[in-house]
Amino acid sequence: EVQLVESGGGLVQPGGSLRLSCAASGFPFSSNWMNWVRQAPGKGLEWVANIKQDGSEKYYVDSVKGRFTISRDNAKNSLFLQMNSLRAEDTGVYYCARDVRNYYLDYWGQGTLVTVSS
Amino acid sequence: SYELTQPPSVSVSPGQTASITCSGDKLGDKYACWYQQKPGQSPVLVIYQDTRRPSGIPERFSGSNSGNTATLTISGTQAMDEADYYCQAWDSSTVVFGGGTKLTVL
Repeated sequence: EVQLVESGGGLVQPGGSLRLSCAASGFPFSSNWMNWVRQAPGKGLEWVANIKQDGSEKYYVDSVKGRFTISRDNAKNSLFLQMNSLRAEDTGVYYCARDVRNYYLDYWGQGTLVTVSS
Repeated sequence: SYELTQPPSVSVSPGQTASITCSGDKLGDKYACWYQQKPGQSPVLVIYQDTRRPSGIPERFSGSNSGNTATLTISGTQAMDEADYYCQAWDSSTVVFGGGTKLTVL
């Protein structure tokens, strides 16, 4: 059974940093692109970033470029999102999601809540 | 940047057919997929590669994609189908979501 479990969310002040993790199991983690998707309270889904199987390609939504870094550790079946210079508008639930051939996201985690507030 | 446009809301009576559209430039040249999200839950894939249903998704869910518009159709809509629905496509290795459509079954 495919499982994705996010962790690392919490309350942080504007300008602060957080590192999100996503622990994957039930599939060969190194075989799939992986994504982070977020959802602000009461708003729609917003794609944040993705990373190729071997980490050689990474893409970001414009609003996080230069502030967020996606990475992965295939030996530990883990996906990460380092978030720096956090802003109030980064508040929301962050999901990791498995990517199938850059066609669709077939499994999602339960999400971890990030709140940026003073 | 690429954009996908959905109606904010759609209403349907139980047992009737609901159609939710998703518009984007030459969307028919890309694969579209659809997610269902109920309050407090993670999104669930209901249609992928325009027309395919994942295992466990009821047959009443179907999809199409042509020209500039992808459509999610729910036949014989049930109360349990009330949820937010998001379309999604890829553009230059990035993921694009539509703004979401709230489906109300009343």
